[in-house]
Amino acid sequence: QKEVEQNSGPLSVPEGAIASLNCTYSDRGSQSFFWYRQYSGKSPELIMFIYSNGDKEDGRFTAQLNKASQYVSLLIRDSQPSDSATYLCASERGAAGNKLTFGGGTRVLVKP
Amino acid sequence: ETGVTQTPRHLVMGMTNKKSLKCEQHLGHNAMYWYKQSAKKPLELMFVYNFKEQTENNSVPSRFSPECPNSSHLFLHLHTLQPEDSALYLCASSQGQGGYTFGSGTRLTVV
Repeated sequence: QKEVEQNSGPLSVPEGAIASLNCTYSDRGSQSFFWYRQYSGKSPELIMFIYSNGDKEDGRFTAQLNKASQYVSLLIRDSQPSDSATYLCASERGAAGNKLTFGGGTRVLVKP
Repeated sequence: ETGVTQTPRHLVMGMTNKKSLKCEQHLGHNAMYWYKQSAKKPLELMFVYNFKEQTENNSVPSRFSPECPNSSHLFLHLHTLQPEDSALYLCASSQGQGGYTFGSGTRLTVV
């Protein structure tokens, strides 16, 4: 079983709609969770992180965490063509170093 | 310069060559990492350094040899690589639990 799982996509979203990305993790010791965006041929860039159950909003992005269900999600409101990228979910155990475990990523395509 | 800088951006090497990848971070972070990203695969952790001491080697073949002379610099020495080692090699740094800052990566092609 993969430690962090994501649907590979592509997730096709009309411009202006909400893109909903999901991520599940197997390690109950995971404490913090991160969403990275990676454009083709580029390196990942951090969008946001969350460590408490509930929602965290930053601009058009909302991260949601449910530790009981071992589930993290990312909502992108008012999706733009520039949001077309691969979104990586990552978990961090904390305490012993800052090692992140990444999922395989979800490819998002926003169509004008 | 700011952030995490990786050189070279692209590298083509033969299987008998020896080359090195360089990473430098200007963020004052205490941890540095090497990751490998192959097509259609998740990011694979290779090595972790905390305060220039190696704290993790994720069963990486010995043809990859890391070096961390100080907390700001990280190298990955390559020798006798195989074509399946062709990938994007990413360096990252971190401080505390706020996630990583990645460098722009080195696209490696082994011929």
